[in-house]
Amino acid sequence: QSALTQPPSASGSPGQSVTISCTGTSSDVGGHDYVSWYQEHPGKAPKLMIYEVTKRPSGVPDRFSGSKSGNTASLTVSGLQADDEADYYCSSYAGGNNYLVFGGGTKLTVL
Amino acid sequence: QVQLQESGPGLVKPSETLSLTCTVSGGSISSYYWTWIRQPPGKGLEWIAYIYHSGNTNYNPSLKSRVTISLDTSKNQFSLKLSSGTAADTAMYYCARIFKIGALDSWGQGTLVTVSS
Repeated sequence: QSALTQPPSASGSPGQSVTISCTGTSSDVGGHDYVSWYQEHPGKAPKLMIYEVTKRPSGVPDRFSGSKSGNTASLTVSGLQADDEADYYCSSYAGGNNYLVFGGGTKLTVL
Repeated sequence: QVQLQESGPGLVKPSETLSLTCTVSGGSISSYYWTWIRQPPGKGLEWIAYIYHSGNTNYNPSLKSRVTISLDTSKNQFSLKLSSGTAADTAMYYCARIFKIGALDSWGQGTLVTVSS
């Protein structure tokens, strides 16, 4: 059982937008602006796409954006492309001893 | 561009200790925090522990009693030991760099460890 709740799947057609949610509690997502999102292609290591809720590392397209409201964070992928098909994981700083918690992952399918 | 590479046995017997090393190249291990993450087959990611060159460490409470993380600045490496292995510890183990709070920007390719007799 993951600490953060994500939908198991999401889908969209090329060019469309899709949003993936990540729900936690006031101890993690709601209590800190340290939510990150990772993209994981099969057989590859996860890749950081968003950090500190809304920031993109260098090289990540601006089609990827993050937001947060209360205890729920969201990742929006605009202008879907075939290569966006992957698993996406959210994570949040949880403070104290349990430094980092993850969601269970969302499989994004580009139809 | 910093690169990380995990190494260690791919098979560990039940009750034995899983030992992994992460070698960092292209940057000094004396900057940033460093961490271990694991992913059981077909499942999600789990944070295990982190370490800073000062010796500051932090462990996942659910694993704390069995985990030790350490760092060797002379070799630019950090290591993980997980004792009393069980089948539930079978996973892909990744080492990664923490570049901002909660954000892991560089990852190793991962190493699969199977706990089985």
